[in-house]
Amino acid sequence: AQSVAQPEDQVNVAEGNPLTVKCTYSVSGNPYLFWYVQYPNRGLQFLLKYITGDNLVKGSYGFEAEFNKSQTSFHLKKPSALVSDSALYFCAVNIVNRDDKIIFGKGTRLHILP
Amino acid sequence: DTAVSQTPKYLVTQMGNDKSIKCEQNLGHDTMYWYKQDSKKFLKIMFSYNNKELIINETVPNRFSPKSPDKAHLNLHINSLELGDSAVYFCASSPTTGSEQYFGPGTRLTVT
Repeated sequence: AQSVAQPEDQVNVAEGNPLTVKCTYSVSGNPYLFWYVQYPNRGLQFLLKYITGDNLVKGSYGFEAEFNKSQTSFHLKKPSALVSDSALYFCAVNIVNRDDKIIFGKGTRLHILP
Repeated sequence: DTAVSQTPKYLVTQMGNDKSIKCEQNLGHDTMYWYKQDSKKFLKIMFSYNNKELIINETVPNRFSPKSPDKAHLNLHINSLELGDSAVYFCASSPTTGSEQYFGPGTRLTVT
């Protein structure tokens, strides 16, 4: 069965430091992988996706993620954190078939300390 | 210009009532979704429609019934509301199946 794991409930990073939010997945085929961000009382916003090609994908607000097939991971990264990056981050996986079902991780709260 | 809009933003109602949440997208997307986010922020897909055709119907009570009058609208009707239905409901759309999704602002439903 498809699954997505975000092992950390919360990640604390000092402003200006690099950040990593972890995501691992388990699927039976080739995954489409996504990262979304949710600010308080808002809907989710798409950050970036991996479908095929270069393992390093770049997205909005300076975020990037690296697809690692052998480790079945898709960690979200940013070289220098901003206080405004504080939010809830969701990793998601989709195997595109007739059903188009997407599975979200439980979310990781990112807290950037000023 | 709101891309995906939902109404109402807040909905407070009593157990046993019937209510509807409306969703509209002006992005020209083919696929629309309904999600439920619980108090722990866990997000679960409920329904998916592609070109007005039901694609995904997860294990939700049949008190929940989606309706898609056209490609730009996907409404959610809930009968006989229960306390456990209290959550935030998100509508989303995507250009095609498998692509990134664009979410509405959410509807916070509180059942008392």
